[in-house]
Amino acid sequence: GEDVEQSLFLSVREGDSSVINCTYTDSSSTYLYWYKQEPGAGLQLLTYIFSNMDMKQDQRLTVLLNKKDKHLSLRIADTQTGDSAIYFCAVSSNDYKLSFGAGTTVTVRA
Amino acid sequence: GAVVSQHPSRVICKSGTSVKIECRSLDFQATTMFWYRQFPKQSLMLMATSNEGSKATYEQGVEKDKFLINHASLTLSTLTVTSAHPEDSSFYICSAQPPTSATPPANEQFFGPGTRLTVL
Repeated sequence: GEDVEQSLFLSVREGDSSVINCTYTDSSSTYLYWYKQEPGAGLQLLTYIFSNMDMKQDQRLTVLLNKKDKHLSLRIADTQTGDSAIYFCAVSSNDYKLSFGAGTTVTVRA
Repeated sequence: GAVVSQHPSRVICKSGTSVKIECRSLDFQATTMFWYRQFPKQSLMLMATSNEGSKATYEQGVEKDKFLINHASLTLSTLTVTSAHPEDSSFYICSAQPPTSATPPANEQFFGPGTRLTVL
């Protein structure tokens, strides 16, 4: 099956940019997602990118996709305390099933 | 937006008992629902895919007789953990997928808040 890897922890100062990285193995992945999970809550879709795109920007969020290296990243500009959460990278192919990374816990410090 | 609820949010049960978890799509019809299991500090692992009116498709290694899934309507799917044991303690999350939309992402899943199961 699909392997999705991401670093487990990221600590960032309030106001700085956060960059969360993800690698995947299946080159046929069509949609690539970033989800946010706050304590005790379900997953919230933050943004996604289609496999034929290199970059997508949505307000403070920027997604970069390097298909050659199978590398996906999420940049959060001007990180706020409300951005503290677990961020999951997920990929899907034609069967619509999602494969998730282990999640990156982002801690924003004042 | 699309809302998915799960009930109960937390359940504690004795070993050997069965527990039913409900997943509902509140404002849309879900042709497909997914059940995931999440261990602490780990990723979501897909357990099974259920389509309304048909049998669920289980992922490799998931015991279908232990984790019974019923998708009886377009807004409700249930997961029953039968004869639960302490190793079944986990966070169970469902997601619901509306019919394929013309608006991308076409296969977006909407997630419930999860159910924390503790088996004593």
